[in-house]
Amino acid sequence: TQLLEQSPQFLSIQEGENLTVYCNSSSVFSSLQWYRQEPGEGPVLLVTVVTGGEVKKLKRLTFQFGDARKDSSLHITAAQPGDTGLYLCAGERTSGSRLTFGEGTQLTVNP
Amino acid sequence: NAGVTQTPKFRILKIGQSMTLQCTQDMNHNYMYWYRQDPGMGLKLIYYSVGAGITDKGEVPNGYNVSRSTTEDFPLRLELAAPSQTSVYFCASKHSNYGYTFGSGTRLTVV
Repeated sequence: TQLLEQSPQFLSIQEGENLTVYCNSSSVFSSLQWYRQEPGEGPVLLVTVVTGGEVKKLKRLTFQFGDARKDSSLHITAAQPGDTGLYLCAGERTSGSRLTFGEGTQLTVNP
Repeated sequence: NAGVTQTPKFRILKIGQSMTLQCTQDMNHNYMYWYRQDPGMGLKLIYYSVGAGITDKGEVPNGYNVSRSTTEDFPLRLELAAPSQTSVYFCASKHSNYGYTFGSGTRLTVV
């Protein structure tokens, strides 16, 4: 049983389009992190959200933590080819505990 | 700072051979982790350590061993390589309340 379910698994869009990636669970997390991974590299941390309902923005990327701290979303506005990569959500059940990863969303932005 | 350094980057092993994947970090992080990532999948935790001299099993520890004699180093040992251990291995470290820093990975093929 996957603790964190990401959707969609694959997403191919045109440059300039908007998109949303979802990360859902039946469990409560003390924090949720989003990573981006490019081929041949390790994941790179984008953001950490810790408060229910929290919204964080990173340029064209908007991250939201659900009120109940069971889910999160990543919204990208006006996607660019440079946004192409594997987006991973990961959660900590309690502060300082092990991180559990979702299976990722492979995003391709076509020029 | 170099961050998290993994060696080697690539390795081909024959079934039954053994090897050690090296991981070192220069950020004085207490927490260190080993993950494996299979194609198109998220990351599965193999072993982790909360400090020098302390290690514990993750989700998929069978066939692996670790040690943590210093804060900087966290080697992963494969004793009898099997085809099921073909994967990309990532080492990561973190300070207590921040996101993980990943190495660039070791791509292992067992034939």
